[in-house]
Amino acid sequence: AQKITQTQPGMFVQEKEAVTLDCTYDTSDQSYGLFWYKQPSSGEMIFLIYQGSYDEQNATEGRYSLNFQKARKSANLVISASQLGDSAMYFCAMREVGGSNYKLTFGKGTLLTVNP
Amino acid sequence: DTGVSQDPRHKITKRGQNVTFRCDPISEHNRLYWYRQTLGQGPEFLTYFQNEAQLEKSRLLSDRFSAERPKGSFSTLEIQRTEQGDSAMYLCASSSDSYLPYEQYFGPGTRLTVT
Repeated sequence: AQKITQTQPGMFVQEKEAVTLDCTYDTSDQSYGLFWYKQPSSGEMIFLIYQGSYDEQNATEGRYSLNFQKARKSANLVISASQLGDSAMYFCAMREVGGSNYKLTFGKGTLLTVNP
Repeated sequence: DTGVSQDPRHKITKRGQNVTFRCDPISEHNRLYWYRQTLGQGPEFLTYFQNEAQLEKSRLLSDRFSAERPKGSFSTLEIQRTEQGDSAMYLCASSSDSYLPYEQYFGPGTRLTVT
């Protein structure tokens, strides 16, 4: 079974600074995908970034980057130059690549607060 | 290009009543997922459809829950004889097999409160 662990219930960061949100995962699969989603107070889950287990380079999307350390089974999200609008819940999720069901397994999330 | 929509956004019902939620996925997406999110938790998988076929159901989905996706378009999730433990946010997501990495696009959710 797949499991995602996010050990930081809450994080605070000053505007314009960088912040790292931790995510570790557990799976026996060789092929898998890792996702980060943002959930503002409105409730909608917004896709941020994806890393495949066989991708050799860390994924980047604008101010978001994923620090993927396969041997340590970690997939930390780095947000650079934080903005007030980044305040939200952030969820790490995993998807099994093989098989036909691409369901996501989520962690419990980290609440990020960006201070002005 | 419209996103995933869900209706209603909020539902308050009394214990024992039946409720039905609707999800309209992104039009070209063949996969549709339902998740449930309780306070302080991440979303948990309930069921998914590939086109009109319901291919997997979580053990979280008791016999009181039923989902349909007629003609592979919109989907409905019905809860019969609601219980207080059913209070949660119900999220719908859709994805396409045509575009890697098959990320799922979520709707705004339906927040159910059972009194």
